[in-house]
Amino acid sequence: KNEVEQSPQNLTAQEGEFITINCSYSVGISALHWLQQHPGGGIVSLFMLSSGKKKHGRLIATINIQEKHSSLHITASHPRDSAVYICAVQKTSYDKVIFGPGTSLSVIP
Amino acid sequence: EPEVTQTPSHQVTQMGQEVILRCVPISNHLYFYWYRQILGQKVEFLVSFYNNEISEKSEIFDDQFSVERPDGSNFTLKIRSTKLEDSAMYFCASQTSNQPQHFGDGTRLSIL
Repeated sequence: KNEVEQSPQNLTAQEGEFITINCSYSVGISALHWLQQHPGGGIVSLFMLSSGKKKHGRLIATINIQEKHSSLHITASHPRDSAVYICAVQKTSYDKVIFGPGTSLSVIP
Repeated sequence: EPEVTQTPSHQVTQMGQEVILRCVPISNHLYFYWYRQILGQKVEFLVSFYNNEISEKSEIFDDQFSVERPDGSNFTLKIRSTKLEDSAMYFCASQTSNQPQHFGDGTRLSIL
């Protein structure tokens, strides 16, 4: 069984739409990460969460520790947001990162 | 902002040959990792390294794989005798306390 699940697997949105990507995990964690991977392959950290909510520009990430669930929201989506968004967890501070399968987002002008 | 750098960006190697993938972690980081991503699949953990020794390795990291920190800056992944199924994107990462892991841009390894 995968320790990190994401939905949806693929998402197509019109420019300007509000987007939500969901993540659920089945293990105890010290941190949850949202990462972005562009077609070139590089991985960029967007958020690291252990509780509550974080906001950076048009991106918002929330986590519910009791429900083992996190969401990534993108407001006023733009074609440059098109990428794969990956939810990942760490069980302890310096542990390996356990990756989810990713959500492929395409924002159409 | 400091970056993790990986070289080469693309490596093409004949099956059975040895390959060394190189990484320069962020200078004050103490924890180092290798991951791989087979095309179309999720990123998988290979190995973590701290204080000049392996702290954890996955089932993928068999006797054909080794890691080394030969000097104060480089962190290398060696595959002794490459197989077709080793074709993947390999990512190096480094971490310091209570911060996210920083990932390099990856080395795309193609085994012919």
